[in-house]
Amino acid sequence: KQEVTQIPAALSVPEGENLVLNCSFTDSAIYNLQWFRQDPGKGLTSLLLIQSSQREQTSGRLNASLDKSSGRSTLYIAASQPGDSATYLCAVPTSGTYKYIFGTGTRLKVLA
Amino acid sequence: GAGVSQSPSNKVTEKGKDVELRCDPISGHTALYWYRQSLGQGLEFLIYFQGNSAPDKSGLPSDRFSAERTGGSVSTLTIQRTQQEDSAVYLCASSLGLKGGNYGYTFGSGTRLTVV
Repeated sequence: KQEVTQIPAALSVPEGENLVLNCSFTDSAIYNLQWFRQDPGKGLTSLLLIQSSQREQTSGRLNASLDKSSGRSTLYIAASQPGDSATYLCAVPTSGTYKYIFGTGTRLKVLA
Repeated sequence: GAGVSQSPSNKVTEKGKDVELRCDPISGHTALYWYRQSLGQGLEFLIYFQGNSAPDKSGLPSDRFSAERTGGSVSTLTIQRTQQEDSAVYLCASSLGLKGGNYGYTFGSGTRLTVV
């Protein structure tokens, strides 16, 4: 059974810092891994999708890496800004399916 | 459409009433998913539709919950005899979802259901 854990649960940093958010999963037989952002009271916005054959994906100040064998992914946020404040969720499919299992998220607050 | 559309965005209902939540996926997306997010909780899988295959209903919490997808497009999630514990944000997502494919999800903005 796939289980997804995200560390830390919450993070508060001053503006400009580089950040690392961690995601670990128990079943490495995955098609892909997706990182999302959720603002309070809103739906989820896709940030990055990493295919199982890839090791990383980049979009602007965001970089996500994937190590399937160790069951880990990290999301790097460079030069954080107050607008980055949100909850960040990672999700992986359950084995052999397309149903995503979500971590409980990292709640990020970037202070101006 | 350009994105996944959900309606209504907010719904307040009395305990015991039935509610219908609607999801209009991205055009051409064959897979459609419903999740539920209770206050302060993670996302809980409810049901998954893929093309014309029988839906995966393994996440539905009780027989008061049902969903259908008409014509492979719009989906309706119905909750009968609503209870206060049904209060949550109901999120719909769609994807290309081809078997063996590697496509991620696009989510709608959700329906916030409050049962009073």
